[in-house]
Amino acid sequence: QVQLVQSGAEVKKPGSSVKVSCKASGGTFRSYTFSWVRQAPGQGLEWMGRIIAVFGTTTYAQNFQGRVTITADESTSTAYMELSSLRSEDTAVYFCARELPCSGTDCYTAFDYWGQGTLVTVSS
Amino acid sequence: DIVMTQSPATLSVSPGERATLSCRASQSVSKNLAWYQQKPGQAPRLLIYDASTRATGIPARFSGSGSGTEFTLTISSLQSEDFALYYCQHYFNWPPRVTFGPGTKVDIK
Repeated sequence: QVQLVQSGAEVKKPGSSVKVSCKASGGTFRSYTFSWVRQAPGQGLEWMGRIIAVFGTTTYAQNFQGRVTITADESTSTAYMELSSLRSEDTAVYFCARELPCSGTDCYTAFDYWGQGTLVTVSS
Repeated sequence: DIVMTQSPATLSVSPGERATLSCRASQSVSKNLAWYQQKPGQAPRLLIYDASTRATGIPARFSGSGSGTEFTLTISSLQSEDFALYYCQHYFNWPPRVTFGPGTKVDIK
């Protein structure tokens, strides 16, 4: 059974950066693709980007280009999301999520396992 | 960019009744659509992908249909644990793009 465990809540000042971790267990880390999704208080879900762990290849959503960096460390089976130049609007719960593994040539960018979420509060 | 809309925003249903949730894409997304359930304080749970394929462990009372721009999630007989928020999600596999709808809240009538 795959399990994703995220780091704890953070409180940050505007203009600073935050780095959230997501440790995977129960499977083969290098075969995974991880995405990060955030949810502001009382709001919907917003995709931030993803990383193909085996290649380290990243894709970022346009809204976060230049501010987000997603990395993966195979030695510790951990994915990371760093968001810089924080502002109050970045206050949200940040989730990591694993993409469904491809079935042969059929791939679906849908998320079958999720971390528990990390609350990041940006406040002066 | 593709915009996803969901209707209604809130659906009030009695236990045991059928619930029908709609999701619309601003342009055709073929069958690249997933549905999630989210309860307060929890991460989303994948219900359906490829518009109509149930994810592992999802009860048969959940079914998805549609293609192109119009999609439906049907819960055939609502159980108490089904009262929650439901999101649809469009995806492009390449280049990767993901867009969520705004959600439909299913509450007890």
